[in-house]
Amino acid sequence: SQTIHQWPATLVQPVGSPLSLECTVEGTSNPNLYWYRQAAGRGLQLLFYSVGIGQISSEVPQNLSASRPQDRQFILSSKKLLLSDSGFYLCAWSSYGYTFGSGTRLTVV
Amino acid sequence: AQRVTQPEKLLSVFKGAPVELKCNYSYSGSPELFWYVQYSRQRLQLLLRHISRESIKGFTADLNKGETSFHLKKPFAQEEDSAMYYCALKDRQGAQKLVFGQGTRLTINP
Repeated sequence: SQTIHQWPATLVQPVGSPLSLECTVEGTSNPNLYWYRQAAGRGLQLLFYSVGIGQISSEVPQNLSASRPQDRQFILSSKKLLLSDSGFYLCAWSSYGYTFGSGTRLTVV
Repeated sequence: AQRVTQPEKLLSVFKGAPVELKCNYSYSGSPELFWYVQYSRQRLQLLLRHISRESIKGFTADLNKGETSFHLKKPFAQEEDSAMYYCALKDRQGAQKLVFGQGTRLTINP
């Protein structure tokens, strides 16, 4: 069966520190992968998506970047976090439908 | 451009009362629409999709192309329906991205 793993579940990081959130998918090959952010009062915003290894599309300009080093691995990164990067980050993959990870709550202090 | 609008951030109704969560969309083409739900401490999950014309947990949603709406309805609310609800539209081109509305937090009062 297909599953999606996302970690860590919670993270508190100081301003200016780097970030790396990881998402892996099992039970499927060549999935479309997505990173969403759920900021307070702002709903779900698509940040990045990937249709294949090394292929990244950015939806909004920001302090974050994404990479897909392997078919079923999707990483969200930042070199220097800002306070405004705080939020709930969701990874998802799609074939016929969407499946979401359990999310990472990031607090930048 | 694709857009999904949920005008109500918060909605509170009493148990047994009817519920309607509003969703309007903007899309140049034939839309594919969904409702997702996130219960407390659980993952975001699919509730229903318009192409299935199904009823899940007593909820239904009808696509009205004339009004560009996909409102979610339930005739008798239950306390376990309290959750965050998102309306979403799939962009059928390219990477099949999902565009979400802002979400509506539904609270069912006893």
